Parts: sequence; structure tokens; C-alpha cells
Amino acid sequence: AQSVTQLGSHVSVSEGALVLLRCNYSSSVPPYLFWYVQYPNQGLQLLLKYTSAATLVKGINGFEAEFKKSETSFHLTKPSAHMSDAAEYFCAVRTSNTGKLIFGQGTTLQVKP
Amino acid sequence: GAVVSQHPSRVICKSGTSVKIECRSLDFQATTMFWYRQFPKQSLMLMATSNEGSKATYEQGVEKDKFLINHASLTLSTLTVTSAHPEDSSFYICSAPHGSSTEAFFGQGTRLTVV
Repeated sequence: AQSVTQLGSHVSVSEGALVLLRCNYSSSVPPYLFWYVQYPNQGLQLLLKYTSAATLVKGINGFEAEFKKSETSFHLTKPSAHMSDAAEYFCAVRTSNTGKLIFGQGTTLQVKP
Repeated sequence: GAVVSQHPSRVICKSGTSVKIECRSLDFQATTMFWYRQFPKQSLMLMATSNEGSKATYEQGVEKDKFLINHASLTLSTLTVTSAHPEDSSFYICSAPHGSSTEAFFGQGTRLTVV
């Protein structure tokens, strides 16, 4: 069975500081991994995805993530936080070919001025 | 990218009534759609997989008589919350995989409040 664990339900950074949101996965097959962002009362927007190509994936809004098989991790980073980055972030793994996603618990990112 | 439209975005209904939520793929066909439920400050929990032309597949613990799913066409899936109660209040989100794309596209979500 596949699963995703996000370490830290709440992360607070200062504007301009590094953002690091942690995600570890469990999968018996090579996974497809995703990071989504959700603003209040809205759906999910894809930030980036890993699909077995390059292990360092660049996404929108300056975010990137690195797939590390040895650590079963897919942590999300951004060099410099912006106030508009404050939102809920979800890591997800895709199960087989159905398109069904298993989500992590989510991490709330707070950006302080 | 592909667009999935969900309607309504917000609905308030009285206890005992039924509410229908629509999920449409606007520029692609989706033989499969997924329905998720999200409680406040929590993650998305998959409720069911909607299959065009056949019965939906429900996740364990989800009442299929309570949450009726109909996928009558390649672009539309509906979720009907029957005899709604306050505990059904939640944020419901649909998604649809797009062809050979590895990602699923999400609707905007529906905030259901049962009073």
C-alpha cells in the first residue's frame, strides 16, 4: 500500500526566509509524487510533480522538490518566502494508473512579515 | 492545462434535504472521476471513484446510499448527498485524470453547510 507522511502540520517562516516542507512516502512501486497548494475555500493547484524523470523538479512560484529514493523523501523548498505563499500544502502519491491520489496530512505555511 | 469545473461552490441546505454537486471536465473526457471530502484543517479523504457508465467504487466506511454518485457522461459526474445532516457539512472536491497526463485536475470545491 502507498502512503504519504508530511512532517510538521504547521510551519512558520519569515518573509524572505527559506521554506522547507517535508514529505516522506511509502510505495512498493516507483511512485508518482505531487505537491499541491490550497488557498482557503478553494480547490487544489498543482505546484510540481515527479514522474521518474529528473529527481530535482522545478514547479511554479519558485518552488522545487527533490526526489530522494534512498530517503523515500520528496521535500518541497523555496529559497525565499513571500507573503502570498501562506497556504495549505499537500504532498500526494498516485496509486497505479487510476489517477487516484493518496494525500498527506497537509502542512500550513505561515509567512511572517 | 485541463479544466475541471465544480458547481455549486457553496451551498446551504436544511437537514433532511438532498444536495447535488456537479463536476464537469470542460475540455477533455473523463471516464473516471474522484470525489474527496475535506474536514476543516484536515487532509483530503477519498470517498469514491466515479466510473462512466458503471457503478461507483466507494472507499471503506463511505455510505453509498448516503452519497450517491452518477457518472452519466464522459464529462459529468454528480455527487448527491441524500437526507443531509449537519455532520455532512464539509468541503467536497472532485478531480479527474486527463488522458495520458500523470496528474489529476481538481475542481474548485463545494462548501456544504447543513443547518
